[in-house]
Amino acid sequence: AQTVTQSQPEMSVQEAETVTLSCTYDTSESDYYLFWYKQPPSRQMILVIRQEAYKQQNATENRFSVNFQKAAKSFSLKISDSQLGDAAMYFCARSQGNLIFGKGTKLSVKP
Amino acid sequence: DTGVSQNPRHKITKRGQNVTFRCDPISEHNRLYWYRQTLGQGPEFLTYFQNEAQLEKSRLLSDRFSAERPKGSFSTLEIQRTEQGDSAMYLCASSPPQGVGNNEQFFGPGTRLTVL
Repeated sequence: AQTVTQSQPEMSVQEAETVTLSCTYDTSESDYYLFWYKQPPSRQMILVIRQEAYKQQNATENRFSVNFQKAAKSFSLKISDSQLGDAAMYFCARSQGNLIFGKGTKLSVKP
Repeated sequence: DTGVSQNPRHKITKRGQNVTFRCDPISEHNRLYWYRQTLGQGPEFLTYFQNEAQLEKSRLLSDRFSAERPKGSFSTLEIQRTEQGDSAMYLCASSPPQGVGNNEQFFGPGTRLTVL
């Protein structure tokens, strides 16, 4: 089965600090997309950041950046200067038409 | 456009009843997806439409489940003879035609189904 694995069920970070969420995936394809989605409590899922597998440069969106290691099939998310509003479930996903999601990491931000 | 909308937001039903959910995608999006999310899990793919054609169905989509997108716009997901195991959040997502945009799927708020 083609899977996405998030090994950290829960993470905690102090406000203004940096946190890294891990994700590994399995695929036999050479070209694909990877995503991090954020799902706040009782709110809908929104895209945080995306990475195209054929691009070697790591994607960056303001305080969010990824460390994409294609050979290792690793796709971690770094959140810098964490804010209270970053508290949410974070899902890593791989695209093969439809999305295959990991089980998620619950991020708590301490004031 | 206000994004993907889903109705109802919550549905409580008794085991054995039929339920139908509706999804209205973003207007220019021709691709539409249904996912199911149970507590503590990531969303799992159910089915995919391109325009009005249902192009892919997951093995999770049992015979009791049926989805339609008759005019290539809104979609409905019906569950017949509901079981307690059907209790979940049902998410709809849409995306623009392939090659347009960044391959992102835009999610609706979901319909939370509780089967008593």
